[in-house]
Amino acid sequence: QLQLRESGPGLVKPSETLSLTCSVSGGSISTTGDYWGWLRQPPGKGLEWIGSIYYSGSTYYNPSLKTRVNISVDTSKNQFSLNLTSVTAADTAVYYCARDHGRNSFDYWGQGTLVPVSS
Amino acid sequence: SYELTQSPSVSVSPGQTASITCSGDKLGDKYVCWYQQKPGQSPVLVVYQDHKRPSGIPERFSGSNSGNTATLTISETQAMDEADYYCQTWDSSIFYVFGTGTKVTVL
Repeated sequence: QLQLRESGPGLVKPSETLSLTCSVSGGSISTTGDYWGWLRQPPGKGLEWIGSIYYSGSTYYNPSLKTRVNISVDTSKNQFSLNLTSVTAADTAVYYCARDHGRNSFDYWGQGTLVPVSS
Repeated sequence: SYELTQSPSVSVSPGQTASITCSGDKLGDKYVCWYQQKPGQSPVLVVYQDHKRPSGIPERFSGSNSGNTATLTISETQAMDEADYYCQTWDSSIFYVFGTGTKVTVL
């Protein structure tokens, strides 16, 4: 059974960089056709896609966040990571990592991690 | 930018049918999927590619997509179906876009 787990600091200060890692177990991050994504959900609000990566390193980002986002992959560790720079309170959210099995939808999700942005 | 609009809330009696709609420009030309999210939990994919159900999703969940509107239908609704539901679409220019979400209440 594929499992994803987000990890990272529980609190980030305004103007700093939010960094999270998603560890994948029960399957290989290098599986052909699988894309790996980061999504977020502010408290009480809807879902927003941040960006995705393929094991080759190809990335694509939400245009509204593109200037602040970088996603990378470490196939040797079966992990992929998110960096979001210059955060503000508006970036406070539950951050999820998830898999797209090539069907343009996310079929496996991590449990999510709440990242408050506060001084 | 591309937007998907959903009604904020839908109420349904147990055993009845709930219909949740998702509207977007020429949405029928794209694939749509649907997620169920219960409080404090991660979203669960219930329909993908308009009408397909992932393994383990009950047959009472069905989807359709035509014109500007996609619909998730929950037949014989149960109390356990009470949740927020989000539609999502994808294409090569907009990538992943989510709907605004619909809260389904089973009265």
